[in-house]
Amino acid sequence: GQNIDQPTEMTATEGAIVQINCTYQTSGFNGLFWYQQHAGEAPTFLSYNVLDGLEEKGRFSSFLSRSKGYSYLLLKELQMKDSASYLCAVTDSNYQLIWGAGTKLIIKP
Amino acid sequence: DTEVTQTPKHLVMGMTNKKSLKCEQHMGHRAMYWYKQKAKKPPELMFVYSYEKLSINESVPSRFSPECPNSSLLNLHLHALQPEDSALYLCASSQGIGSGANVLTFGAGSRLTVL
Repeated sequence: GQNIDQPTEMTATEGAIVQINCTYQTSGFNGLFWYQQHAGEAPTFLSYNVLDGLEEKGRFSSFLSRSKGYSYLLLKELQMKDSASYLCAVTDSNYQLIWGAGTKLIIKP
Repeated sequence: DTEVTQTPKHLVMGMTNKKSLKCEQHMGHRAMYWYKQKAKKPPELMFVYSYEKLSINESVPSRFSPECPNSSLLNLHLHALQPEDSALYLCASSQGIGSGANVLTFGAGSRLTVL
């Protein structure tokens, strides 16, 4: 079966750094996405990785290791507005998007 | 214009009602999607339209009926729904399908409550 695992909930402090991990077992791989979703709102695109390595975009970075079936999203200089759910999603061999259950990130002052 | 617009934002309907959810995008995207999302769960794919043709129907009950009048519009017709159909319904679009790099742009969603 296809499976994406990420922690259910994480807590971090304003100004700190947090790493949200995602592991996946899918039938094929054509890319991995991270989306941010604030409560009651739509998901918004954060990053896309298809090759191994680190993609940096401002305060957010995403890393991929295809051999390990592993990705992480790194958030630096955390702000209160970063409190949200972070969804990891993988495109499989049929180009279907498989979603993880999401990680709820709580930022404390 | 980089938005996907959904109406209505909130909808309350009885089990015998007929209603429609509407979605519009003007980004020239050729693929449009309907997702259903329950609280604290990831989005669940319902339908995909590619070039105005239905390409994926994820075994959705017939009480949900999608329609794509043109490349910018996507409707979801609702009839005889059940209380368990209450959820956030998300419309999304992407440049196409069949590529790993298709970024989805989501609308703000329609919050549906079935009484």
